[in-house]
Amino acid sequence: NAGVMQNPRHLVRRRGQEARLRCSPMKGHSHVYWYRQLPEEGLKFMVYLQKENIIDESGMPKERFSAEFPKEGPSILRIQQVVRGDSAAYFCASSPIGSQSYQPQHFGDGTRLSIL
Amino acid sequence: GESVGLHLPTLSVQEGDNSIINCAYSNSASDYFIWYKQESGKGPQFIIDIRSNMDKRQGQRVTVLLNKTVKHLSLQIAATQPGDSAVYFCAESYPGANNLFFGTGTRLTVIP
Repeated sequence: NAGVMQNPRHLVRRRGQEARLRCSPMKGHSHVYWYRQLPEEGLKFMVYLQKENIIDESGMPKERFSAEFPKEGPSILRIQQVVRGDSAAYFCASSPIGSQSYQPQHFGDGTRLSIL
Repeated sequence: GESVGLHLPTLSVQEGDNSIINCAYSNSASDYFIWYKQESGKGPQFIIDIRSNMDKRQGQRVTVLLNKTVKHLSLQIAATQPGDSAVYFCAESYPGANNLFFGTGTRLTVIP
């Protein structure tokens, strides 16, 4: 399967714990995007990364949320001290070249985060 | 535009009929549009895209129409099949944007 891989598919955390969501882009893709989706709503952009660089984090809350895409390994979205409002589906997408190149983003199947 | 609201618009069609799903966008600067299909528990799946220098594009059983004058996008699915049942999202982007902006979505239900 050469698609975007996300894990875990489901993650349960208690309030105050940390959540780590991983994303491996499609082979040959070096651009990664994270989106968040609440039930019955569309996806909302959080952050756009290239290898070792955050390009745009305008959609990501300043507190408790961080993202990285290291030279080796998957992209990580990290949520510290989770609260109930963080419960959502988090999707990762990748593209082969930049977001302004009229190339579609290809999505993984998401991580469903539930906060107890 | 950004998605709002608690309830998805719904469309029910008979198997074999054609489906038309509509999307209004708000940013006149948007120049790239994508339709995605999202099945329950899955991520958005790319269907077809169109740039603003075109007004129609066809794929296999799908056609996207773009009307820039009224900022309207539609997805036509020919001979709708049960496997087409899903939520369909339009997404837009504009020069300088680093991300896609998703619409509210439409739930398509195909009646066998």
